Amino acid sequence: GENVEQHPSTLSVQEGDSAVIKCTYSDSASNYFPWYKQELGKRPQLIIDIRSNVGEKKDQRIAVTLNKTAKHFSLHITETQPEDSAVYFCAASRGNQGGKLIFGQGTELSVKP
Amino acid sequence: DARVTQTPRDKVTEMGQEVTMRCQPILGHNTVFWYRQTMMQGLELLAYFRNRAPLDDSGMPKDRFSAEMPDATLATLKIQPSEPRDSAVYFCASGPGQVDGELFFGEGSRLTVL
Repeated sequence: GENVEQHPSTLSVQEGDSAVIKCTYSDSASNYFPWYKQELGKRPQLIIDIRSNVGEKKDQRIAVTLNKTAKHFSLHITETQPEDSAVYFCAASRGNQGGKLIFGQGTELSVKP
Repeated sequence: DARVTQTPRDKVTEMGQEVTMRCQPILGHNTVFWYRQTMMQGLELLAYFRNRAPLDDSGMPKDRFSAEMPDATLATLKIQPSEPRDSAVYFCASGPGQVDGELFFGEGSRLTVL
């Protein structure tokens, strides 16, 4: 089955700096790659996703890149703000399993003012 | 504002007791997922349903866990007997169907087994 590895497990940056979180997946049939943000004590919520027919996607300060050949994808947050502090999860899905997501281990991002 | 609803939000119980967690998916969503979150294991998929039929429960310890969808508005996750290692936050999520897209998570049920 699918296995998703996520790095780093913790990341601390200064406000205004950029943050990058990386994930690798094992199943070459995976074709949908979302990122979820989970604030302390809250539920995970989708912030951005990318499908395998696209190499990059941006939404304001966040962007995701996908390298299908290498089977890895990354989340980029620019101009970080204290409210970006949270745990971020990457996930992968095959597309024919009704939305079944396999998640990475999570990255705890801390943005220091 | 459609949301996934989970009960209970918090449960403290003693080892050996039965625990039942309930989830009401978003109306019209036909896929329902149970995930368990611990510090060590992240978000683990336990089981999921499509149109109330179980599709995959390979992530679930079969001897003590069971998941059902008695109807389209209710999914249950039962642990019997519970053990301290079951302590975790259990999330239910629902999705609109076969095409991959956003999963909507409930607020979670925090379980503590003493």
